[in-house]
Amino acid sequence: GAVVSQHPSRVICKSGTSVKIECRSLDFQATTMFWYRQFPKQSLMLMATSNEGSKATYEQGVEKDKFLINHASLTLSTLTVTSAHPEDSSFYICSATYRDYGYTFGSGTRLTVV
Amino acid sequence: GQSLEQPSEVTAVEGAIVQINCTYQTSGFYGLSWYQQHDGGAPTFLSYNALDGLEETGRFSSFLSRSDSYGYLLLQELQMKDSASYFCAANTGGFKTIFGAGTRLFVKA
Repeated sequence: GAVVSQHPSRVICKSGTSVKIECRSLDFQATTMFWYRQFPKQSLMLMATSNEGSKATYEQGVEKDKFLINHASLTLSTLTVTSAHPEDSSFYICSATYRDYGYTFGSGTRLTVV
Repeated sequence: GQSLEQPSEVTAVEGAIVQINCTYQTSGFYGLSWYQQHDGGAPTFLSYNALDGLEETGRFSSFLSRSDSYGYLLLQELQMKDSASYFCAANTGGFKTIFGAGTRLFVKA
């Protein structure tokens, strides 16, 4: 149980375009999901907390207009990188809380902006 | 500020035991968890300690000392497939979790 599916796993887009990443909880309801960004050989940096039915909570320094988060249902949260630029190239990972303490992570999306 | 410190790299041989330490400094603390991440993959949950002491799950064990703000992950009978990055993460309350920078474990034959 507690599987989180993330799609797509890889995406290459042109600079200036937008990319949508989906995160689904497959066998449980996730009222709260989290979006992380990870650069090579670095730790996971929390970007925002996605709350079902309400606005996301962004971490300091994360542009909410650039990284749009929508959590429209108990099983789906989406992250849209708008007007992507090469510096947005990174590994984006979503997660949902599992039980009271652990996180279940999606498989991640490697975004390359060319 | 809030931070978790762990070694950047550890190397060990197959069959050996390795300990990855983690010290934390956070404004709130509810527990320490450990995650494994292989290159290109997503982190997978290994263990969680809310109370002081040792938690054992197969070849992996995790320890926490709240008074020392310290924990460790112990990997026994190392296998090549254990080569990965290991992250400690502190639950600071309200679903907030702060991750350490990760420890890259290299297992040699």
